[in-house]
Amino acid sequence: QVQLVQSGAEVKKPGASVKVSCKTSGYTFTGYYIHWVRQAPGQGLEWMGWINPHSGDTNYPQKFQGRVTMTRDTSISTVYMELSRLISDDTAVYYCARLGASRHFDFWGQGTLVTVSS
Amino acid sequence: EIVLTQSPGTLSLSPGERATLSCRASQSVSSSYLAWYQQKPGQALRLLIYGASSRATGIPDRFSGSGSGTDFTLTISRLEPEDFAVYYCQQYGNSPLFTFGPGTKVDIK
Repeated sequence: QVQLVQSGAEVKKPGASVKVSCKTSGYTFTGYYIHWVRQAPGQGLEWMGWINPHSGDTNYPQKFQGRVTMTRDTSISTVYMELSRLISDDTAVYYCARLGASRHFDFWGQGTLVTVSS
Repeated sequence: EIVLTQSPGTLSLSPGERATLSCRASQSVSSSYLAWYQQKPGQALRLLIYGASSRATGIPDRFSGSGSGTDFTLTISRLEPEDFAVYYCQQYGNSPLFTFGPGTKVDIK
């Protein structure tokens, strides 16, 4: 069965960086794009970009360009999302999600809480 | 940017009742690219509907989606206890490529 398992919660200070992992299994890793979506406390869902696990190509919305980096390690079917220059507004649960054929997210990770606090 | 608005913000219903959730887009959305998700506390999001009306694998037939253009609807024909959750719509389109609605909470009356 398809699974996306994320790394554990993180606490970071303002200005620091955080790197969250998403280990996939149950399907061909290079066959599906992986996206990242975040949800601030009590807020809705915000799309952060995607990575093509086959080529390593990425696409980030303007809001996150220059601050987010998505990478992958094909040997362990894992993708990573690194967010730099953290501010308190980056406190959120970060999700990885697999993109299906109709531009929907068919499987999601369990989420990783990142808390930014001095 | 396409903005999705969901209504109502909260829907208070009893088990067995019908739930009708609305998702309205600021511009026309391709029906092929409108999806609905369910979120429960502490759980991963779950895809319910894609392509506006296609049920995802394993989703009970009490869930149905409809609509086109700027108006889409998720209907739960008879609420089961496990259906009380938050529901989000999502579209794929112009920059940013993916946007979500603010969600509708379905809670027990």
